[in-house]
Amino acid sequence: KNEVEQSPQNLTAQEGEFITINCSYSVGISALHWLQQHPGGGIVSLFMLSSGKKKHGRLIATINIQEKHSSLHITASHPRDSAVYICAVTPNTGNQFYFGTGTSLTVIP
Amino acid sequence: DTAVSQTPKYLVTQMGNDKSIKCEQNLGHDTMYWYKQDSKKFLKIMFSYNNKELIINETVPNRFSPKSPDKAHLNLHINSLELGDSAVYFCASSQSIAGDTQYFGPGTRLTVL
Repeated sequence: KNEVEQSPQNLTAQEGEFITINCSYSVGISALHWLQQHPGGGIVSLFMLSSGKKKHGRLIATINIQEKHSSLHITASHPRDSAVYICAVTPNTGNQFYFGTGTSLTVIP
Repeated sequence: DTAVSQTPKYLVTQMGNDKSIKCEQNLGHDTMYWYKQDSKKFLKIMFSYNNKELIINETVPNRFSPKSPDKAHLNLHINSLELGDSAVYFCASSQSIAGDTQYFGPGTRLTVL
């Protein structure tokens, strides 16, 4: 069983919709990361958070440490948001990194 | 200016060959990583170096050997390439190992024939 689980695996939305991607993890962590991989393959780090909530433009990331759960929200989605979104955690013991399998988002005009 | 660069971008080679992928970061970061992304797009960490010292060495065949000549460079050498080594390899860097934001290179698509 993967230490990090994401849902949904695939998501199709109409432009303008509010989108939520979920991430659950099973280990104690020092940080959680949300990454975006564009269709061209490049990977960009969107957020790193260890508590609460962060906002950058139309993207909002929240984390609940007690429930071991994080969500990535996209408001007013746009076709350029189409990408794979990957959740990753840094455990608070050891130096391993654990990745989710990614959520493939397609936003239709 | 590119923050994390990798060369080459594409690499096609025959089974049994030895090849290297180079990575350089100009961010002044202490920590660098190599990741492998398989055909199912699953990212898996392979190695991490902090100040030129190996920190993470996952269950990776001995045919893979990272080398860090200085903090700004982490190269990946692969001996006796196998079909299963075909993947996209990403280099990344972060300020430190402690869960900092990571900056990724553009990836190197390795195809072993």
